[in-house]
Amino acid sequence: KQEVTQIPAALSVPEGENLVLNCSFTDSAIYNLQWFRQDPGKGLTSLLLIQSSQREQTSGRLNASLDKSSGRSTLYIAASQPGDSATYLCASGRTDKLIFGTGTRLQVFP
Amino acid sequence: GAGVSQSPSNKVTEKGKDVELRCDPISGHTALYWYRQRLGQGLEFLIYFQGNSAPDKSGLPSDRFSAERTGESVSTLTIQRTQQEDSAVYLCASSPSGTSRVAFFGQGTRLTVV
Repeated sequence: KQEVTQIPAALSVPEGENLVLNCSFTDSAIYNLQWFRQDPGKGLTSLLLIQSSQREQTSGRLNASLDKSSGRSTLYIAASQPGDSATYLCASGRTDKLIFGTGTRLQVFP
Repeated sequence: GAGVSQSPSNKVTEKGKDVELRCDPISGHTALYWYRQRLGQGLEFLIYFQGNSAPDKSGLPSDRFSAERTGESVSTLTIQRTQQEDSAVYLCASSPSGTSRVAFFGQGTRLTVV
């Protein structure tokens, strides 16, 4: 049974810092690894998807890496902004369903 | 519509009543997922539909929960004889087929059982 863990559970940083959010999963037989953002009271927004054959994906200030052999993914946020404040969720994807971690709650203060 | 649509956005019901939640996926998406998110918790998988294949119901917490999907369109999640522990946000997502599929989520239905 796939288990997905995210560290840290919460993070509070001043604006401008570079951040690393960590995601680990127990079953490396995944098809992809997705990172999502969830704002309070709202649904999830997809940020990045890394296929199992890929090592990383980049979108703007976001960079996600994947190391299947060690069961780890990281989300790097460069030059953080207050608008980045949200909960960040990673999810491992197989043919049947996405298994989510419990998330990292990020607060970026001015 | 352009995105995944869920209705109602909020539902307050009395304990013991049945409720029905609706999800309209993005047109053409063959996969549809239901998740539950309790306050302060992560997303809990409930059920998964893929095309005309038998759904994966392994996440449904009890036989009070059921879901249907008509072809590759609308899905309904039904909770019978609701209990207070059913209070949560119920999220629906859809994705196209294939391993590179990105999941798109609806805004969720916030269910409160009083």
